[in-house]
Amino acid sequence: AQTVTQSQPEMSVQEAETVTLSCTYDTSESNYYLFWYKQPPSRQMILVIRQEAYKQQNATENRFSVNFQKAAKSFSLKISDSQLGDTAMYFCAFLSDNAGNMLTFGGGTRLMVKP
Amino acid sequence: SQTIHQWPATLVQPVGSPLSLECTVEGTSNPNLYWYRQAAGRGLQLLFYSVGIGQISSEVPQNLSASRPQDRQFILSSKKLLLSDSGFYLCAWSQGIQLPEAFFGQGTRLTVV
Repeated sequence: AQTVTQSQPEMSVQEAETVTLSCTYDTSESNYYLFWYKQPPSRQMILVIRQEAYKQQNATENRFSVNFQKAAKSFSLKISDSQLGDTAMYFCAFLSDNAGNMLTFGGGTRLMVKP
Repeated sequence: SQTIHQWPATLVQPVGSPLSLECTVEGTSNPNLYWYRQAAGRGLQLLFYSVGIGQISSEVPQNLSASRPQDRQFILSSKKLLLSDSGFYLCAWSQGIQLPEAFFGQGTRLTVV
């Protein structure tokens, strides 16, 4: 079974600074997808960014980018120019079609952006 | 465009009472459907997922069950709630590898008293 691990339960960053959230995963599959989701205090789950395992280029969405290291099974999220609205829980998630479409989440990292 | 509806938003139920949470998806067909539970300040625990009508996979044995009576309808049920069933329940859908992102409903906050 696939597992997703987020080793940082809580992190904080000053507004306008850069922060990196860590995620590692364990799988024997070669084709899969990785995601970062944001859950603000409203508890609505919002997709931040997606990475296909077959793509070598790291995904980027505005201030959000990932560092995907397939051999190391690492998938970190970098938030640049942090804003107060980035304060939220962040979840890393894994999906492999060979796993019967089972979407697996990590335990989450609580990010606090300080003014 | 696709939308997902989940209700109710909040629910307070006594121990031993039944439960029925409903989730429906619009604007797509044959979606993968998921039920997750989230304890306060914790991660998402996958409870059930379904790749088609009548096809339910259970990840965690407990007193909850799920059904998919229609293509875009996913129901989470219990015959007798336990205090430990309290939590935040999230329904989600995806299109598998065709559209791998999962899209979530607003969630249901269940308190068993």
